[in-house]
Amino acid sequence: GESVGLHLPTLSVQEGDNSIINCAYSNSASDYFIWYKQESGKGPQFIIDIRSNMDKRQGQRVTVLLNKTVKHLSLQIAATQPGDSAVYFCAESDAGGTSYGKLTFGQGTILTVHP
Amino acid sequence: SQTIHQWPATLVQPVGSPLSLECTVEGTSNPNLYWYRQAAGRGLQLLFYSVGIGQISSEVPQNLSASRPQDRQFILSSKKLLLSDSGFYLCAWSVRGNEDEQYFGPGTRLTVT
Repeated sequence: GESVGLHLPTLSVQEGDNSIINCAYSNSASDYFIWYKQESGKGPQFIIDIRSNMDKRQGQRVTVLLNKTVKHLSLQIAATQPGDSAVYFCAESDAGGTSYGKLTFGQGTILTVHP
Repeated sequence: SQTIHQWPATLVQPVGSPLSLECTVEGTSNPNLYWYRQAAGRGLQLLFYSVGIGQISSEVPQNLSASRPQDRQFILSSKKLLLSDSGFYLCAWSVRGNEDEQYFGPGTRLTVT
């Protein structure tokens, strides 16, 4: 089946640095992508999303970039803070089909922010 | 505002025992509801989703079942637990018509011994 995976399983940064978390996807029909943040023992928290008709979307301190040519998605976190330490998942959906919002999740990247 | 609840938060059950996990959503009507399982250090696997009362779709064959007796209530069950059923179970909801934007509950940590 189609899959979504991450290039880097772990990422360690210093507080104040910018973080970039990458994700590759294989389903060329995917047209909706989400980044989730999951803190230990908690459910995933929605961060930001992007549709395939866009290549960039910005939120508060976060930016998601989508490169459909190479099927690559990235999450950029500006001025990373210790509270950003968590596992970050990308997820994709073939929203234009009959998937009823069935998201396919990547394995996750562990982000550790050192003070 | 909408909130989603799951209970219990943690559960330890012996092999062969039954299971019932409950999820409820407040502050919205006619939500789509989802059950996911997350193995340790892994991503989320969709188990079931529901677009309405009594309407359940199963994504993977397994030892589990789901039911939706009320609009905002979603239950995950098993008659006999297996060791492989251990994991972190997450319920999620989305607005009908915006199915991709899913919001997750706090999860239930299930350990089958």
